[in-house]
Amino acid sequence: EVQLLESGGGLVQPGGSLRLSCAASGFTFNSYSMYWVRQAPGKGLEWVSGISGSGNTISYGDSVKGRFTISRDNSKNTVYLRMNSLRAEDTAVYYCAKDQTWRWDLLALRAIDYWGQGTLVTVSS
Amino acid sequence: QSALTQPASVSGSPGQSITISCTGTSSDVGGYNYVSWYQQHPGKAPKLMISEVTDRPSGVSNRFSASKSGNTASLTISGLQAEDEADYYCSSYTSSSTLVFGGGTKLTVL
Repeated sequence: EVQLLESGGGLVQPGGSLRLSCAASGFTFNSYSMYWVRQAPGKGLEWVSGISGSGNTISYGDSVKGRFTISRDNSKNTVYLRMNSLRAEDTAVYYCAKDQTWRWDLLALRAIDYWGQGTLVTVSS
Repeated sequence: QSALTQPASVSGSPGQSITISCTGTSSDVGGYNYVSWYQQHPGKAPKLMISEVTDRPSGVSNRFSASKSGNTASLTISGLQAEDEADYYCSSYTSSSTLVFGGGTKLTVL
């Protein structure tokens, strides 16, 4: 059974930093692209970032480029999101998500077949 | 990257059919066959309903179908049931090597 378990959310002041983690199990982790998708309270889904199975290809949404960094440790089956210079508008539930396409060398960006339960990040003074 | 355009809300009675549109550009929806649809119930994570424009994952009811014409993709739900009431999102691969979501559509089953 595929499981994605996020952690690291919480309350942080504007300008602060936070690191989210997502522990994965139930599939060959290094063969799949992984993503972070967020959802502000009462709002829609926003794609944040993605990383290929190998970790060699990375992409970011315009709103977080230069502030957020995605990475993965395939030996620990874990994907991370380092968030710097946080703003009030970054307040959201952050979901870890897995692509359905089996390709270790490609940032697939096809379809998300599994989602974590989400972790809430609140940016407020 | 601008969000894909979806109607804010749609509604239908049990047993009826509804269609949700998702409009993008030639740089996303129109340029690639990588459009997906997700269902999200309140307080829950999204669920994949359709991938690659028309493919229905195992376990998803055949009442859900989808298509694409030009820069617009569509999700059709036939034989509406109360459990279909949820938010629905489309997404697409983009030419910038990102994913973009639609703004979401709230489906109300009357």
